[in-house]
Amino acid sequence: EIVLTQSPATLSLSPGERATLSCRASQSVTTDLAWYQQKPGQAPRLLIYDAFNRATGIPARFSGSGSGTDFTLTISSLEPEDFAIYYCHQRTSWPITFGQGTRLEIK
Amino acid sequence: EVQLLESGGGLVQPGGSLRLSCSASGFPFDKCPMTWVRQVPGKGLEWVSTISGHGASTHYADSVKGRFTISRDNSRTTLYLHMNSLRVDDTAVYYCARRSPSWGPPDNWGQGSLVTVSS
Repeated sequence: EIVLTQSPATLSLSPGERATLSCRASQSVTTDLAWYQQKPGQAPRLLIYDAFNRATGIPARFSGSGSGTDFTLTISSLEPEDFAIYYCHQRTSWPITFGQGTRLEIK
Repeated sequence: EVQLLESGGGLVQPGGSLRLSCSASGFPFDKCPMTWVRQVPGKGLEWVSTISGHGASTHYADSVKGRFTISRDNSRTTLYLHMNSLRVDDTAVYYCARRSPSWGPPDNWGQGSLVTVSS
């Protein structure tokens, strides 16, 4: 099983600041890595797929990078609605897995 | 517009059974693999099962293998999750989600259905 480890567990920032979230895989997932945003009481929303492609309707302030085992989700300038939990996800091999999440909170 | 609507959740005793349904619309259902993902309230996401568009290929997490069965009725554009021998640690919100025909990541999710296993 490919284990995804996200860091930090919690990130405290202010609106307008830049957020950098990390996801490390226990073995290579090439670029089969996605990022999701989840707000309380809501289903996850796909932000980034194939490591760096923005999903439909996702603002340009969200960007993804990386390949192999190390990946980054960057939010260039935080908006109030961006404070949420973020999960990475790999689909390279079964079982497909998710990271444990990074909580992005308002400082 | 893609729509996924789960139903069938509720309270069940340990050892009991339940069937979740996910009614889909707004996309070519028979072309898309479908997935169940669950989430214990306040915890992270756990993949449960995936089925191919034609239904011939299925995959399960070890935690549910032998107890849960995923199926689909393409004529009714409905996905199912049959859950048997339920345990307390199966308590979670269960989401159905669509994958693209090219087996991309889940890109559209339902609102979730809460399953509570308790005596």
